[in-house]
Amino acid sequence: TQLLEQSPQFLSIQEGENLTVYCNSSSVFSSLQWYRQEPGEGPVLLVTVVTGGEVKKLKRLTFQFGDARKDSSLHITAAQPGDTGLYLCAGRSGNQFYFGTGTSLTVIP
Amino acid sequence: DTGVSQDPRHKITKRGQNVTFRCDPISEHNRLYWYRQTLGQGPEFLTYFQNEAQLEKSRLLSDRFSAERPKGSFSTLEIQRTEQGDSAMYLCASSLELTSGAYNEQFFGPGTRLTVL
Repeated sequence: TQLLEQSPQFLSIQEGENLTVYCNSSSVFSSLQWYRQEPGEGPVLLVTVVTGGEVKKLKRLTFQFGDARKDSSLHITAAQPGDTGLYLCAGRSGNQFYFGTGTSLTVIP
Repeated sequence: DTGVSQDPRHKITKRGQNVTFRCDPISEHNRLYWYRQTLGQGPEFLTYFQNEAQLEKSRLLSDRFSAERPKGSFSTLEIQRTEQGDSAMYLCASSLELTSGAYNEQFFGPGTRLTVL
C-alpha cells in the first residue's frame, strides 16, 4: 500500500521552464526524503527534510516540508535536460520508509 | 567506491528456479533494507536488518523469500521456486541508525534486475 501520492505522474517540459512536483499523504512522517532515479539504477538521495515548514535549497532545486509533516514539494527552476529522471519522495514512519509512485520528468532541449 | 553494491546487476531465470542476490552495504552502516520495485512504481519495503538481526518483514515477503545478514555486514536475498510475478528490480539500501534518534538517510545500491521467464 502506497501511503504517499505524487503528482503529476508524468511531466514533459522545455528546457528553461520551472516546475513543481507534489508529494501528499494523510500520514505524518518523522522525515521525508527526495530521490532521483535513472533507468536501470538505484535511487540517489537528493535531500532529507525533518522539521515541519522546513525549506532546503540545492542549487536550482527547492524542497519544502509541510507544516504538519504530511506533504512536501520539489520545485525546479530553469530545468535542464540533465534533470530528466524519476523523482521519488519517501516518508519515514517508525523504522520503515514509504515511497511515492514517482514523477517521471522529461526536459526537452 | 565506498557506496552500496549489489550483485548481480541482472539475472534471467526460468520459472521454478532459485535465485540469490547479494548486497554489500556502506561499511559503517548498521541498518540494511531490501526493497522491490516494479515498472512505474516506487520501491516497496520487503525487510530490514539492524546489524545481523532481521527486525521487520513486509507481507510482500512470502515464504519463498528469505533474507540473511549473517555477520552484520553483507546480506543475501533468496527467492525459491521463482514465479513470473517475481520479475522486478530488487534494491538494497543501507543507513547508519544513531542511538540518539537522529534521522538517518538511506543510500541505495544500483539494484538487481530479475527477469523470470
